Amino acid sequence: TQLLEQSPQFLSIQEGENLTVYCNSSSVFSSLQWYRQEPGEGPVLLVTVVTGGEVKKLKRLTFQFGDARKDSSLHITAAQPGDTGLYLCAGRDHSGNTPLVFGKGTRLSVIA
Amino acid sequence: DSGVTQTPKHLITATGQRVTLRCSPRSGDLSVYWYQQSLDQGLQFLIQYYNGEERAKGNILERFSAQQFPDLHSELNLSSLELGDSALYFCASSQPSMRGNTIYFGEGSWLTVV
Repeated sequence: TQLLEQSPQFLSIQEGENLTVYCNSSSVFSSLQWYRQEPGEGPVLLVTVVTGGEVKKLKRLTFQFGDARKDSSLHITAAQPGDTGLYLCAGRDHSGNTPLVFGKGTRLSVIA
Repeated sequence: DSGVTQTPKHLITATGQRVTLRCSPRSGDLSVYWYQQSLDQGLQFLIQYYNGEERAKGNILERFSAQQFPDLHSELNLSSLELGDSALYFCASSQPSMRGNTIYFGEGSWLTVV
């Protein structure tokens, strides 16, 4: 069973600060996705990374896939209150043909 | 709005009872997934259907069952409910190929067992 460990579990920061959250595994993934979930809603896909070492940017969010495709990070620059939510990473195994496995998430709170 | 519709949004029921959660996938999506989300376990994959047939099974209890109908909507049946079954149940759908495709989640059905 593949496991995705996310850290930190909780993060509370002031508006304007930078932060990084991590997603780690001992397994290799064919692709890794990051989702954001807000209260009362389902997770919404932010990005998919598929190549080891890949970096993708989405406005103030920067996503990186580890060279060995076992880990990923999400960096947020100048966090805003609107960034508040649960950030989930999810991956598929090396075959790419299995359902998504999710980490438990990082719950981010950005205080104005 | 993801296009995935789940009903009911909230449900309170007693232990030992049975409930059915319903999901309508996005138009054109053949795959339907069910996930359970709880505070301690996170988002756990339960089961996947593709065009009416079971495709993959995850951590789904024997008390739970699901099916996908010819019109592609799906139902998750939870029976002999226990307090620990209280959770948010999500349905998600995706395009025909599972490989690397985006899956879209509904807003979830919040089940409380008392």
